Amino acid sequence: DSGVTQTPKHLITATGQRVTLRCSPRSGDLSVYWYQQSLDQGLQFLIQYYNGEERAKGNILERFSAQQFPDLHSELNLSSLELGDSALYFCASSVPSSPGQDTGELFFGEGSRLTVL
Amino acid sequence: AQSVTQLGSHVSVSEGALVLLRCNYSSSVPPYLFWYVQYPNQGLQLLLKYTSAATLVKGINGFEAEFKKSETSFHLTKPSAHMSDAAEYFCAVTTYSGSARQLTFGSGTQLTVLP
Repeated sequence: DSGVTQTPKHLITATGQRVTLRCSPRSGDLSVYWYQQSLDQGLQFLIQYYNGEERAKGNILERFSAQQFPDLHSELNLSSLELGDSALYFCASSVPSSPGQDTGELFFGEGSRLTVL
Repeated sequence: AQSVTQLGSHVSVSEGALVLLRCNYSSSVPPYLFWYVQYPNQGLQLLLKYTSAATLVKGINGFEAEFKKSETSFHLTKPSAHMSDAAEYFCAVTTYSGSARQLTFGSGTQLTVLP
């Protein structure tokens, strides 16, 4: 058990719809990352938050957005869903490290599997 | 930008045989490198990490990896495969966007262990 909790585990919806995926990071972790895993694209970094603020953006579509709340949980919002958005969405969190000791280790949740029909 | 390349999207070995999964990174500066494993229907779990303290890194479940700067490689090995090792393995490197740190993953290698 990594300590990172993601809900829901499975989600089936229709094209054009909107869904929200939720992530609770490990206790004490300030950084939250979102990744998308699909068969054709592999593991793609979407976005990172640190203590409520957006830190880095990867290959995140404009139809997707995220935020991190004061209690450090994060939500990934996916709108105007298309068939190609079907994937496993992972949240990961990391331990805030002392300056000069950043090793980049991430702790992953079990993912939310989104199926768009 | 830093990246990793995993050679072989599928590797099959017999139970008890040597496991060798290949990873090459692209960087002139020794990065932080990781191997993660993903079992079916689970998230990614850290196997081991290289942080410049030692070139031979030992991880969980009998896996180890050797950092070779001259070859820009970080191959994962295990002397004797077990059926429970069947999973997908990802090599990853720390990348930076300004001050923000993230992991960039390779495309993954699916390991099959044959009885």
